[in-house]
Amino acid sequence: AQTVTQSQPEMSVQEAETVTLSCTYDTSENNYYLFWYKQPPSRQMILVIRQEAYKQQNATENRFSVNFQKAAKSFSLKISDSQLGDTAMYFCAFMKHDMRFGAGTRLTVKP
Amino acid sequence: NAGVTQTPKFRILKIGQSMTLQCTQDMNHNYMYWYRQDPGMGLKLIYYSVGAGITDKGEVPNGYNVSRSTTEDFPLRLELAAPSQTSVYFCASSYSGAGDTEAFFGQGTRLTVV
Repeated sequence: AQTVTQSQPEMSVQEAETVTLSCTYDTSENNYYLFWYKQPPSRQMILVIRQEAYKQQNATENRFSVNFQKAAKSFSLKISDSQLGDTAMYFCAFMKHDMRFGAGTRLTVKP
Repeated sequence: NAGVTQTPKFRILKIGQSMTLQCTQDMNHNYMYWYRQDPGMGLKLIYYSVGAGITDKGEVPNGYNVSRSTTEDFPLRLELAAPSQTSVYFCASSYSGAGDTEAFFGQGTRLTVV
């Protein structure tokens, strides 16, 4: 079974600065998808960014980008120009038929 | 479009009681999922379904049952509730299970077993 590991339970960053959240995973699959989800206090799960494993190019969505290292099974999320509204739990997820999540990283953006 | 709708939003159960958490989606999605999220933790997959009539176990299926008689509905049944089942439960759906289409989540059901 696939496992997803987020080794940073909590992180903080100053507003307007850049922060990187780490994620590693374990799988024997070759084709799969990886995701970063944001969960604010409202509990809503919000898709931040998605990466297809067979694409070498790293995905970007405005201030959010990933560093996908397939051989190392690493999938980190970089948030640039951090905003107060980025404060939330962030979950890394792996999908191949079903979706498995990491334990999450609580990010706090400080003014 | 309502998306994924879960009911109820909150529930308190006594130990040993049973209940069904309802989940319905109006997006004609094939795949549906049930997760539980314990405080400060990630989502753990309980059961999932790839289409009507087909269900499969996830990471933590013990103490739960599901059915998928229609494309729209995917109820989760708790038999003989235990304090360990106190959690927030999320239902999700996606058109495919490959990850090439977005998964949509319900707002969650907060369940407390006392």
